[in-house]
Amino acid sequence: QQQVKQSPQSLIVQKGGISIINCAYENTAFDYFPWYQQFPGKGPALLIAIRPDVSEKKEGRFTISFNKSAKQFSLHIMDSQPGDSATYFCAASITSGSARQLTFGSGTQLTVLP
Amino acid sequence: EAQVTQNPRYLITVTGKKLTVTCSQNMNHEYMSWYRQDPGLGLRQIYYSMNVEVTDKGDVPEGYKVSRKEKRNFPLILESPSPNQTSLYFCASSSVLLGGRTDTQYFGPGTRLTVL
Repeated sequence: QQQVKQSPQSLIVQKGGISIINCAYENTAFDYFPWYQQFPGKGPALLIAIRPDVSEKKEGRFTISFNKSAKQFSLHIMDSQPGDSATYFCAASITSGSARQLTFGSGTQLTVLP
Repeated sequence: EAQVTQNPRYLITVTGKKLTVTCSQNMNHEYMSWYRQDPGLGLRQIYYSMNVEVTDKGDVPEGYKVSRKEKRNFPLILESPSPNQTSLYFCASSSVLLGGRTDTQYFGPGTRLTVL
């Protein structure tokens, strides 16, 4: 079963607009929620991450909003730029124990039009 | 330059012909992992290794083998590939923090495998 559900599958935004990608999770034991950015022909790279003890984390134009009670979190890209065009994956993991095993969402292909 | 390298980057093979995809990292990371990426499914973990000679199954280990004889290398072995293993494969590595938790994972560039 898919433990992390991501939407939308694809997103087209005009330059300067706000891109919003949503994820929902089922396992309440998850305690680390990263977002990865993947450009064509490249491996995913960590973009920003949040822990459930905060409701929001902002790094430059990228913001994660986290709603623990709803078991949802989202990525907001402000002032979207054509260079932001990539596939974005949300993920979740449990950091306790001997290994952090990441469970990924299905990905969102973002296209920012010039 | 700190990096994770994979070889080959592209591979076309036939059903049943054993193959190995190599993965190497130069960051002295203890943790290494293999994922497969399929459309609509995201990345799914195949196997991971916490250190030399320590490996464990991920979510989709069937049909794959791994070994970790050296810290820097973590090859993925398909002893009898089948068409359903056609996919994009990523190797990743990270350091292990105090208490055994892993840090940010760094991904290789990917290997696109086609099994005919």
